[in-house]
Amino acid sequence: KQEVTQIPAALSVPEGENLVLNCSFTDSAIYNLQWFRQDPGKGLTSLLLIQSSQREQTSGRLNASLDKSSGRSTLYIAASQPGDSATYLCAVIPVRNQGGKLIFGQGTELSVKP
Amino acid sequence: DTAVSQTPKYLVTQMGNDKSIKCEQNLGHDTMYWYKQDSKKFLKIMFSYNNKELIINETVPNRFSPKSPDKAHLNLHINSLELGDSAVYFCASSHWDRGATDTQYFGPGTRLTVL
Repeated sequence: KQEVTQIPAALSVPEGENLVLNCSFTDSAIYNLQWFRQDPGKGLTSLLLIQSSQREQTSGRLNASLDKSSGRSTLYIAASQPGDSATYLCAVIPVRNQGGKLIFGQGTELSVKP
Repeated sequence: DTAVSQTPKYLVTQMGNDKSIKCEQNLGHDTMYWYKQDSKKFLKIMFSYNNKELIINETVPNRFSPKSPDKAHLNLHINSLELGDSAVYFCASSHWDRGATDTQYFGPGTRLTVL
């Protein structure tokens, strides 16, 4: 059974720091991995999607890497800003489950202090 | 031009009532989903529809009945509401490709409170 774990559960950093959020999954047989952002009381915004054949994806100050064999992904945020404060969720689509079902981690709650 | 929309945004109701949540997407996607986010903020899939056909039913009580009148709509009807149904319900949509899907786009959520 696929399980997704995110560490740390919460993180507080001063503005301007570079930071790394971690995601691990127990079954390496995945179609893809997505990182989402959720603001309080809001829906999810997709940040990056990495297909199983890819190693990383970049969008602006965000870089996500995928090491499928070790079951790990990291989300790197450069030069963090207060506007980056949100909960970051990692999710995978397992190969063995049809239907595009996303399995989510518990999220990392990020707070960037001015 | 909202991509995935849900109504209502908030729903407060008494135990035992029946309620519906509606979802619409204007992205031209062929697959739609319902997810439930519990009080601990954990998100879990409930249902998935591809071209109006149910493809995932994730051990959800049969009090929950999804209905997809067309590819752009996926509604969720809940009978005999219970306290434990209180949660935020998210609709999502995506393009289906060879058994997997592309990026999933989420609606703003419906916060259901059962009293």
